[in-house]
Amino acid sequence: NAGVMQNPRHLVRRRGQEARLRCSPMKGHSHVYWYRQLPEEGLKFMVYLQKENIIDESGMPKERFSAEFPKEGPSILRIQQVVRGDSAAYFCASSPYGQVKETQYFGPGTRLLVL
Amino acid sequence: AQSVTQLGSHVSVSEGALVLLRCNYSSSVPPYLFWYVQYPNQGLQLLLKYTSAATLVKGINGFEAEFKKSETSFHLTKPSAHMSDAAEYFCAVKREWGGNMLTFGGGTRLMVKP
Repeated sequence: NAGVMQNPRHLVRRRGQEARLRCSPMKGHSHVYWYRQLPEEGLKFMVYLQKENIIDESGMPKERFSAEFPKEGPSILRIQQVVRGDSAAYFCASSPYGQVKETQYFGPGTRLLVL
Repeated sequence: AQSVTQLGSHVSVSEGALVLLRCNYSSSVPPYLFWYVQYPNQGLQLLLKYTSAATLVKGINGFEAEFKKSETSFHLTKPSAHMSDAAEYFCAVKREWGGNMLTFGGGTRLMVKP
């Protein structure tokens, strides 16, 4: 059973470009979570999605960031007009039912570098 | 808002020595607690979790943690360190009514000396 998959693993963008990060949850999981890890820091929650719904986006910056989890296909985290401060590792996690006691299974992350 | 504090951003032990990584949480209600390990350039792997059953939780790779409500702590231990334990360790918390997101501590980097 494949784990959570993220691509690309590494992404380099110049300031002002767009970054698209993809996450395919584990088979049978319909709940997806995005976290950001800034250098030398812990992970910070960004957004929680279920298929076709954003459940909680309280950790998302108000501008330039958006996320979706369509009925078909992977979840996408989109960052428009990237700035140097967006350089970080972005991790996706998934769980089957969205229950609080559930384990969230993490992907390998996408490391974004903004030049 | 709940928070998680990991005392010691870097811990160094000798191979074969006891590993103790500290985690304290702030929460007005009993939380759900998790320890994850992150190897370089990889994602997070669950070591163990506490979900209000037994207070002493055993995890993978010989790790265990004890939930102590009176001390609001969930320290991670392993009796004998291996070189392969060198990694970054994160403590995280969720609350029953606090949404489904994990709140992470700042992490502790464990170094194991031969």
